[in-house]
Amino acid sequence: GNSVTQMEGPVTLSEEAFLTINCTYTATGYPSLFWYVQYPGEGLQLLLKATKADDKGSNKGFEATYRKETTSFHLEKGSVQVSDSAVYFCALSDPGYSTLTFGKGTMLLVSP
Amino acid sequence: GAVVSQHPSWVICKSGTSVKIECRSLDFQATTMFWYRQFPKKSLMLMATSNEGSKATYEQGVEKDKFLINHASLTLSTLTVTSAHPEDSSFYICSAGGLAGGGTDTQYFGPGTRLTVL
Repeated sequence: GNSVTQMEGPVTLSEEAFLTINCTYTATGYPSLFWYVQYPGEGLQLLLKATKADDKGSNKGFEATYRKETTSFHLEKGSVQVSDSAVYFCALSDPGYSTLTFGKGTMLLVSP
Repeated sequence: GAVVSQHPSWVICKSGTSVKIECRSLDFQATTMFWYRQFPKKSLMLMATSNEGSKATYEQGVEKDKFLINHASLTLSTLTVTSAHPEDSSFYICSAGGLAGGGTDTQYFGPGTRLTVL
């Protein structure tokens, strides 16, 4: 079956530091890949997505590239802000089928 | 666009009572809605998938008689927790997918409902 593995947190960074949150997946075929963000006390928001190999999803300074050869979709940001503190979830879905498989989430804490 | 609302945002109830949570897609029609449960410091657990006008499909281990799901229209799904007990206390999140222009594989999430059963 499908599965998503994320690095365990919390990830603690100072403001303006570089961020990487690793995500690898196991799936048959060519899934779509997602990053969702959950701010404290809120639901999930779609941050970015990629639907095929070598696609790069980007939003709000965050980027992730769909790497089929390494089955990875690592999330990066060049300079984090305190407001980026949240839990980040990597997820996948089979093409044309909307059920999502989530990773366990990685908490990011950014200090001033 | 692609806004999903949930009501209520939080609810406290006594053990043995039933609680209904609404999930609405505000600016698009959702062919499919999903209900998740999130435990502290855990990922989301898919409870069930519902398609408008048909019975929900429950994940293994989820009691369908306890968690009643109704998807009466393309913009509204409800989850009713029947005879709630303290162990049902959790954060319940719905999502909607379908015709939002994000593709059938994109889900848009509601803000969640915090249920506390005393």
